[in-house]
Amino acid sequence: EIQLQESGPGLVKPSQSLSLTCSVTGYTITSGYDWSWIRKFPGNKMEWMGYISYSGSTNYNPSLKSRISITRDTSKNQFFLQLNSVTTEDTATYYCASGWYFDFWGPGTMVTVSS
Amino acid sequence: DIQMTQSPASLSASLGETVTIECRASEDIYNGLAWYQQKPGKSPQLLIYNANSLHTGVPSRFSGSGSGTQYSLKINSLQSEDVASYFCQQYYNYPLTFGSGTKLEIK
Repeated sequence: EIQLQESGPGLVKPSQSLSLTCSVTGYTITSGYDWSWIRKFPGNKMEWMGYISYSGSTNYNPSLKSRISITRDTSKNQFFLQLNSVTTEDTATYYCASGWYFDFWGPGTMVTVSS
Repeated sequence: DIQMTQSPASLSASLGETVTIECRASEDIYNGLAWYQQKPGKSPQLLIYNANSLHTGVPSRFSGSGSGTQYSLKINSLQSEDVASYFCQQYYNYPLTFGSGTKLEIK
């Protein structure tokens, strides 16, 4: 079974960059699927942020397009999120997930943006 | 972007009852709709995809229906373990978008 696990700092200062890693086991990320980052804000709104496909192409939510980058390390079977110039409004629980509808999710990691 | 309007925001029902949650898309999404269950402190779990296909391992008391812009999730014979938040997601077009969620409680 596919398993995903997010990791990264739980606290980021305003104006800095948020960087998270999603480690995938049970499936090779170059074999198929789109690999997405999704976040859930306090108050429960969910936002799809973007994906990197099994072929390495990317697609980002236009609301984030100037600040977001999703990359991968195929040798480690990991993909990454970088979100630049964060503000307190980026405080959320961040999930990585697979697919167009998401049949596998990581447990999530809470990121707080605060000075 | 396709807007997903979900209702109700919260719902209280008795054990054994049938409940229905609705999602309306701002344009036709051609059955590109999924439903998820999320329990506190856990990640979302896929229940339904393609509007009416039951994901592997999901109890048959969950069902999805709808077409065009109107979709619904029905839970028959409500169980205590169904206490959770539920939300819809369209994947017909990018950016992928979610409903605002429904919090289900037992009366």
